[in-house]
Amino acid sequence: EPEVTQTPSHQVTQMGQEVILRCVPISNHLYFYWYRQILGQKVEFLVSFYNNEISEKSEIFDDQFSVERPDGSNFTLKIRSTKLEDSAMYFCASRAGGLTDTQYFGPGTRLTVL
Amino acid sequence: AQKVTQAQTEISVVEKEDVTLDCVYETRDTTYYLFWYKQPPSGELVFLIRRNSFDEQNEISGRYSWNFQKSTSSFNFTITASQVVDSAVYFCALSEASGGTSYGKLTFGQGTILTVHP
Repeated sequence: EPEVTQTPSHQVTQMGQEVILRCVPISNHLYFYWYRQILGQKVEFLVSFYNNEISEKSEIFDDQFSVERPDGSNFTLKIRSTKLEDSAMYFCASRAGGLTDTQYFGPGTRLTVL
Repeated sequence: AQKVTQAQTEISVVEKEDVTLDCVYETRDTTYYLFWYKQPPSGELVFLIRRNSFDEQNEISGRYSWNFQKSTSSFNFTITASQVVDSAVYFCALSEASGGTSYGKLTFGQGTILTVHP
């Protein structure tokens, strides 16, 4: 069964460093998402991506964040200069097409900023 | 703006008990989708069910059942004869779909931590 994959599973970085989180969505899916979950809290929407551009973003998704689909398979989230409060689990999700389709989530990347 | 409330922060039951997880949502859209996801201790988000706003039929899948009531804006989830493996955090989520401007973002509730004791 196709699944969303994410790498790395755990990333530790120093404050101020740049990180890139990688995701491989399900192959025939057209909509891609990043969500964040701070430890013990709810899952929060960051950004949606469709047709090679950002379609929607939340207030959390400020200038420090960017997304890219550099090739036909990868979907990346870059945090330019990490802060302590960026420590969280980051989930990638993808959806096939219409809004009736379900979003399927990857296993997440745990980001720890020291 | 859309909002999902899961008032139960934590629920603890003994194996074989039935348990209901509550979810109340707010939306101005007439077309929307409701979801339940399970997050086991390993951390991944596992899709359980999706319901459309125009389909109020309740659904049963094995030990799981869902009660969708538009009149009370609720989408509750019942586990019958709970098992230790059901221990997880359960999230209810909402996606709006009207006007062609929605790209399907999910708004999650705070989650309910379910612990099933042997």
